[in-house]
Amino acid sequence: QKEVEQNSGPLSVPEGAIASLNCTYSDRVSQSFFWYRQYSGKSPELIMSIYSNGDKEDGRFTAQLNKASQYVSLLIRDSQPSDSATYLCAAHNNNDMRFGAGTRLTVKP
Amino acid sequence: DAGITQSPRHKVTETGTPVTLRCHQTENHRYMYWYRQDPGHGLRLIHYSYGVKDTDKGEVSDGYSVSRSKTEDFLLTLESATSSQTSVYFCAITPRTDNYGYTFGSGTRLTVV
Repeated sequence: QKEVEQNSGPLSVPEGAIASLNCTYSDRVSQSFFWYRQYSGKSPELIMSIYSNGDKEDGRFTAQLNKASQYVSLLIRDSQPSDSATYLCAAHNNNDMRFGAGTRLTVKP
Repeated sequence: DAGITQSPRHKVTETGTPVTLRCHQTENHRYMYWYRQDPGHGLRLIHYSYGVKDTDKGEVSDGYSVSRSKTEDFLLTLESATSSQTSVYFCAITPRTDNYGYTFGSGTRLTVV
């Protein structure tokens, strides 16, 4: 079974803090990894992708990948109330994109 | 969502009736996907298409069929709806499968009573 596991949360951080979201995956052949943000009642929106071990930064977001540990993380710096959403981690190989159930993040003003 | 629309947005149907959901894209993307999203399960792949008339099953395909007669349209049919198929259904598209994310439609909330 190809699983992607996330802590469901809720994760609560104060405004301006760093939010750290974590994900593990079971399928070692997964080649690329994605983070999607989903606001309540809305569709998932792609925010980050990462394919190689290490860190990838895009604005306030940093994705981290460790293939040996089968671990992916997302850091959100200077968290804002508008970042409050559910964050979905996904592991992809060919036409098989597997999603975690998501971590609900709340940023408190 | 830009370039991808789903219809209807909401539907209530009775157990045993057939239901068809539509996904329409204007991006000319080759790959299209149908997912369902349920609390605690995340997004699960039902069927996908890699070209006109080319489709394949996903993780939870039982009770569903799909068709793609044109690049822009991907239809999902519940042959005989059951209460377990009450869910939110999302269509997704991508131009390529190597290291490329998906763009999702706005979703269809289906309730089977």
